[in-house]
Amino acid sequence: AQSVTQLDSQVPVFEEAPVELRCNYSSSVSVYLFWYVQYPNQGLQLLLKYLSGSTLVKGINGFEAEFNKSQTSFHLRKPSVHISDTAEYFCAVKPGGNTPLVFGKGTRLSVIA
Amino acid sequence: DAGVIQSPRHEVTEMGQEVTLRCKPISGHDYLFWYRQTMMRGLELLIYFNNNVPIDDSGMPEDRFSAKMPNASFSTLKIQPSEPRDSAVYFCASRRGVGGQPQHFGDGTRLSIL
Repeated sequence: AQSVTQLDSQVPVFEEAPVELRCNYSSSVSVYLFWYVQYPNQGLQLLLKYLSGSTLVKGINGFEAEFNKSQTSFHLRKPSVHISDTAEYFCAVKPGGNTPLVFGKGTRLSVIA
Repeated sequence: DAGVIQSPRHEVTEMGQEVTLRCKPISGHDYLFWYRQTMMRGLELLIYFNNNVPIDDSGMPEDRFSAKMPNASFSTLKIQPSEPRDSAVYFCASRRGVGGQPQHFGDGTRLSIL
């Protein structure tokens, strides 16, 4: 079965510093990859997705992620974070066909002023 | 476009009572998912439907939980009888088709069982 590992449960970072949130998935077969963000007391919102094509994917709020098939990774990055980026970030993978997303356990990003 | 709509947003009830959570998926979406989120377990998939038919309910914790989708625009998740350990945030999500379409989430129902 497919699984997703988010290596860091919490990431504190100073405002305007760069950040990378790591995500690895278990299978090397073709998958679709997603990052979601959850702000306090809200549902999950789609940040970006990788379906095919260019391995560098740009999303909303200045985030981007790079798909690395050989390392089965899909790390999320932002060159300069803001206080408003404080939230929980979830990596998710979807094999093809009639299947739901498989989510990682989430990484809590805390941006410090 | 209206997103996924869940009601109520908050529910506080006493142990033993029946609880019904409601979800209206995005129009045109043929998949509907119910999740539960807690600090201890994170985000858990409970059940999902395709074209109103339950596909996989292996995540439903026990017989006290049941879910229905009587039509394409409405689903319920029912807990009877409720227990304090059912306290969590319950999310509904919907998706259109297979392939790489993303799931769209509602804002959730925060359930507290006293």
